[in-house]
Amino acid sequence: DAKTTQPPSMDCAEGRAANLPCNHSTISGNEYVYWYRQIHSQGPQYIIHGLKNNETNEMASLIITEDRKSSTLILPHATLRDTAVYYCIVRPLWGGYNKLIFGAGTRLAVHP
Amino acid sequence: EAQVTQNPRYLITVTGKKLTVTCSQNMNHEYMSWYRQDPGLGLRQIYYSMNVEVTDKGDVPEGYKVSRKEKRNFPLILESPSPNQTSLYFCASRRDTEAFFGQGTRLTVV
Repeated sequence: DAKTTQPPSMDCAEGRAANLPCNHSTISGNEYVYWYRQIHSQGPQYIIHGLKNNETNEMASLIITEDRKSSTLILPHATLRDTAVYYCIVRPLWGGYNKLIFGAGTRLAVHP
Repeated sequence: EAQVTQNPRYLITVTGKKLTVTCSQNMNHEYMSWYRQDPGLGLRQIYYSMNVEVTDKGDVPEGYKVSRKEKRNFPLILESPSPNQTSLYFCASRRDTEAFFGQGTRLTVV
């Protein structure tokens, strides 16, 4: 079972920041928070991951609360091409277990 | 360019006719896996491989086989496809921090 809870859908205006929340209240100390997205039946695409500190890369920022029970993915200037399903996943960084457990994700619609 | 390549992208076949979906990665990753995606059920893992000659079942392995004779290739074999295997299939390879997915194979079994 997925260990995360996300809203099923969100809207965002083009050019504005998209803030996608994720609850992971049962996260373990060795588990990281990962974000992937899937654009219309294409293969999922890695976005970012983090343990407890905020992270930023060229695609997005990840804000993790101090108690690590929730996080927010931020797309700073959303474009129409950011319309996708966004998945929040928790899993250990290391270890041989290869499975990513994808929940239902959040369907983000970016509109003009 | 780092990529995972699946073939074919689309396939329509008949029940019982053996087929193979190929998957190849050029990143020298040890871990590879297969997922299927169905409406309302999300992405579910079929099989995974931690290295050459090391494979194991995922959540929905029934009706599928895999092999890992070389690090770069991880084919998915349907010995006797059935209509309930109609789905969108993804191959993935992974290093520890991120997984790379292929573009998908849309399979229809009639």
